[in-house]
Amino acid sequence: SAVISQKPSRDICQRGTSLTIQCQVDSQVTMMFWYRQQPGQSLTLIATANQGSEATYESGFVIDKFPISRPNLTFSTLTVSNMSPEDSSIYLCSVEDRLAGGDEQYFGPGTRLTVT
Amino acid sequence: AQSVTQLGSHVSVSEGALVLLRCNYSSSVPPYLFWYVQYPNQGLQLLLKYTSAATLVKGINGFEAEFKKSETSFHLTKPSAHMSDAAEYFCAVSAGGFKTIFGAGTRLFVKA
Repeated sequence: SAVISQKPSRDICQRGTSLTIQCQVDSQVTMMFWYRQQPGQSLTLIATANQGSEATYESGFVIDKFPISRPNLTFSTLTVSNMSPEDSSIYLCSVEDRLAGGDEQYFGPGTRLTVT
Repeated sequence: AQSVTQLGSHVSVSEGALVLLRCNYSSSVPPYLFWYVQYPNQGLQLLLKYTSAATLVKGINGFEAEFKKSETSFHLTKPSAHMSDAAEYFCAVSAGGFKTIFGAGTRLFVKA
């Protein structure tokens, strides 16, 4: 299994500003994922981040709004740019353990973002 | 492509009673199926997974789930609920190398 930490755990930001969320894994992983979980809802995949290549974004999410970095096999960042109140959500990073033989994912504790 | 449907956004049981959380899936290829639990202010934690081995899968904290292909179901059960089981539970499916799809979630309430 993998242990994942995220920073910050929560933040309150003003509209129009940007926030960068960090995700650190205790082991080297190929695939990292960024999800958004809006209040009372399920997870929505924002993008998949592979080391050494551009992130792959899901429909409805664009790089200008959610730029992602993946400089090495244990770290990634997600930036929420030009924030609006609609961006208030929990942002989760996860990694996939294909060696476990089943595509299971391990999640960080999440970053709770409130935009005022 | 695949999809997953969780029946019931909220389930309430008494402490000591049976827990049954329902999940139905759709997949054009043999799927992997998962149940995750999310406690307040935490990320998701894997409870159990089905990967085409035994159809009855046992997980952590006394939970188990049975894969029923004929019913396309993967319901989660626990014989006796504990107060600490109160959380949000997500069923998820992945298949054929496609991304994992999560259900809408079921919030479990446990009454004393």
